[in-house]
Amino acid sequence: GQNIDQPTEMTATEGAIVQINCTYQTSGFNGLFWYQQHAGEAPTFLSYNVLDGLEEKGRFSSFLSRSKGYSYLLLKELQMKDSASYLCAVMDSNYQLIWGAGTKLIIKP
Amino acid sequence: SQTIHQWPATLVQPVGSPLSLECTVEGTSNPNLYWYRQAAGRGLQLLFYSVGIGQISSEVPQNLSASRPQDRQFILSSKKLLLSDSGFYLCAWTPGGADNSPLHFGNGTRLTVT
Repeated sequence: GQNIDQPTEMTATEGAIVQINCTYQTSGFNGLFWYQQHAGEAPTFLSYNVLDGLEEKGRFSSFLSRSKGYSYLLLKELQMKDSASYLCAVMDSNYQLIWGAGTKLIIKP
Repeated sequence: SQTIHQWPATLVQPVGSPLSLECTVEGTSNPNLYWYRQAAGRGLQLLFYSVGIGQISSEVPQNLSASRPQDRQFILSSKKLLLSDSGFYLCAWTPGGADNSPLHFGNGTRLTVT
């Protein structure tokens, strides 16, 4: 079966750095997405990786290793507004999205 | 620019009542349209998707149905709601023909079946 694993919850301190991991087992691979979802709101797109390596967008970076079935989202200079759930999703060989359950990130002052 | 509208934002319905949720997209033509449901602590579950008017693919057989009467309109319906239909319903779109574009979500509908 197809599977996405992410930690359920993480806690970090304002101003620090946090890394949220995602491992996947899917039938083929056509890219990996990261979304941010604040409580009670819809997910918003953060990043897309299809080739190995690091993609940087301001305070957020996303890394992919296809051979290891592994990705991480790196958040730097954490702000209170970064408190949210972070969803990892992989597009399989049929271009179907497989979703992880999400990681709830709690930022403490 | 493209925008997606979804309504209502919240809905409380009794068991056995009908359901109609509507979603429209502006600023693009022939989008791919999706209905997702999110249960607490669970990943997003794809319910239906559509690549064109009248073309609906169902991913999860249940008492829900979807229709696409116009190019940029997507409707989720039920004739008789069950308690298990409670959840957060999200409409989303991607550009037509673009297989690996990110999803753009509407604001969602919080449905509580009592």
